[in-house]
Amino acid sequence: GENVEQHPSTLSVQEGDSAVIKCTYSDSASNYFPWYKQELGKRPQLIIDIRSNVGEKKDQRIAVTLNKTAKHFSLHITETQPEDSAVYFCAASIHSGGGADGLTFGKGTHLIIQP
Amino acid sequence: DVKVTQSSRYLVKRTGEKVFLECVQDMDHENMFWYRQDPGLGLRLIYFSYDVKMKEKGDIPEGYSVSREKKERFSLILESASTNQTSMYLCASSLSIGPGYNEQFFGPGTRLTVL
Repeated sequence: GENVEQHPSTLSVQEGDSAVIKCTYSDSASNYFPWYKQELGKRPQLIIDIRSNVGEKKDQRIAVTLNKTAKHFSLHITETQPEDSAVYFCAASIHSGGGADGLTFGKGTHLIIQP
Repeated sequence: DVKVTQSSRYLVKRTGEKVFLECVQDMDHENMFWYRQDPGLGLRLIYFSYDVKMKEKGDIPEGYSVSREKKERFSLILESASTNQTSMYLCASSLSIGPGYNEQFFGPGTRLTVL
């Protein structure tokens, strides 16, 4: 089955700096890569996703890049703010256009924004 | 606004008890999922369902079963609870109408402690 590795497990950055979280996946058939943010005591929420036919996607301060050849995808957060502090999870799945697609998650990155 | 609810936020059970965790979604989603979340391990898929009475094993189905008698409700069953099933259990749901609609919406979670 799919295996997703995520690094680092903890990332501390100064407010205003950029943060990068990296993930690798093992199954070359995976074609959908979402990123979820989980604030303390709250449920995970989707912040951005990318499909294998796209190399990069941006949404304001957040961007995700995908390298299919290397089976590697990354989350980039620019101009970090205190509210960015949370645990971030990457995930991968094989989306076939219909039916359920269970996600395989990375182990998470605890992002700490230092004032 | 999608709402996924879970029957309990906190649950304490004894070893050997049969445990039912209930999840309800109100957005007519076809797909429903059960994950468990443990510190340092991320979220791991237990079971999922893409239609009423249909179920598929995820990555860690051992010791669990599921039931989906109605489209909006997905139950996770621990036939004989064990201490290693102490965890946070998260339910999620998603639409099933093709690319662009993969977002999984999570419930608030049930923290289960097995003594």
